[in-house]
Amino acid sequence: NAGVTQTPKFQVLKTGQSMTLQCAQDMNHEYMSWYRQDPGMGLRLIHYSVGAGITDQGEVPNGYNVSRSTTEDFPLRLLSAAPSQTSVYFCASSYSFSTGVNYGYTFGSGTRLTVV
Amino acid sequence: KNEVEQSPQNLTAQEGEFITINCSYSVGISALHWLQQHPGGGIVSLFMLSSGKKKHGRLIATINIQEKHSSLHITASHPRDSAVYICAVREVAGSARQLTFGSGTQLTVLP
Repeated sequence: NAGVTQTPKFQVLKTGQSMTLQCAQDMNHEYMSWYRQDPGMGLRLIHYSVGAGITDQGEVPNGYNVSRSTTEDFPLRLLSAAPSQTSVYFCASSYSFSTGVNYGYTFGSGTRLTVV
Repeated sequence: KNEVEQSPQNLTAQEGEFITINCSYSVGISALHWLQQHPGGGIVSLFMLSSGKKKHGRLIATINIQEKHSSLHITASHPRDSAVYICAVREVAGSARQLTFGSGTQLTVLP
């Protein structure tokens, strides 16, 4: 099925541990992004990518790294997990971002992360 | 930075009622999105608007660019419409052209 696949769906980490949240899309979308959702805050952009090899910071990038070696994959790495990173994480993709054509966004199903 | 405000924050309705959720933003945009987040957490893109009005089944979205305001309407509401509805805008200016999200409206439709 075409869409955005996020793994894992749930994860519990200890403070200081590192991990990678996976995001893959099979729609040949140029644009991919990671958001975190916290109660009362809405979705906030962490990092985004407008194509393979190109990434940039969003609103809340500290503590997270990304890379975009292929069009399909956009993993999010937590370098040293902190309780403040407890959140629900969403990956999203969109087509032809660079041409300025407005397309809808496709979201993954989310990853619920708890850091203890 | 664009400020996106939604109202109401919470809305409870009886099945069959007409629902309106509002979204206001502070600076010019190139597009406005309405998203639906299911109780299980998944997010679905409902509409993308840059002007006028769109209709999908019982859902209607309108936007007034001059007033910087959009509304999402649900006709003949049903308990399965219960979800969080999120407004997001993409700004005209700026190299990032990212989405700015409202904090969402929690809709509960009672049978």
